[in-house]
Amino acid sequence: RKEVEQDPGPFNVPEGATVAFNCTYSNSASQSFFWYRQDCRKEPKLLMSVYSSGNEDGRFTAQLNRASQYISLLIRDSKLSDSATYLCVVEGLSGNTPLVFGKGTRLSVIA
Amino acid sequence: DAGVIQSPRHEVTEMGQEVTLRCKPISGHNSLFWYRQTMMRGLELLIYFNNNVPIDDSGMPEDRFSAKMPNASFSTLKIQPSEPRDSAVYFCATRAGELFFGEGSRLTVL
Repeated sequence: RKEVEQDPGPFNVPEGATVAFNCTYSNSASQSFFWYRQDCRKEPKLLMSVYSSGNEDGRFTAQLNRASQYISLLIRDSKLSDSATYLCVVEGLSGNTPLVFGKGTRLSVIA
Repeated sequence: DAGVIQSPRHEVTEMGQEVTLRCKPISGHNSLFWYRQTMMRGLELLIYFNNNVPIDDSGMPEDRFSAKMPNASFSTLKIQPSEPRDSAVYFCATRAGELFFGEGSRLTVL
């Protein structure tokens, strides 16, 4: 089983739609979780951290389910500018240890 | 803040040639990571350093790959000899809580 698994997509959705991505991880000892965004031919950038209680940042909501070992990202009222690849990221221990990336889920928001 | 700076941005070379990729980390960030990204495998960690010391190089594909960090402001990733399957985007990243990536070096080996 891969460490971090995501549906590669692509998800093609109209503007204004709500879209959700899930991600599963294999290491039950994982401590920290993130979503990164990567635009075409650019570097990945942090979108948001994922907290145990769930967290929201504007139109974006992240949830963590430790029992089932999955993380989700919900995007409401999607915009054309949300088109990108969304990478699920997991860290085993806190601190400056490596982050393990999923392969990403591609989202295309269509006018 | 200039961010993580990588060079070259693009390199096209022939099989068998030596390739050297360079990274200047963000000042004050003590951890440096080299990742490789391909369509097939996604982002893979190659090696990382804490305070200039290599901690884990288990992701380095084989002996043709080597990385150094002689000081806190510079790191290199070398491939010798290069092969077509090394074609990928190589990212350098540093961490202070969040992981900050450079813009990447796109390598094509013919």
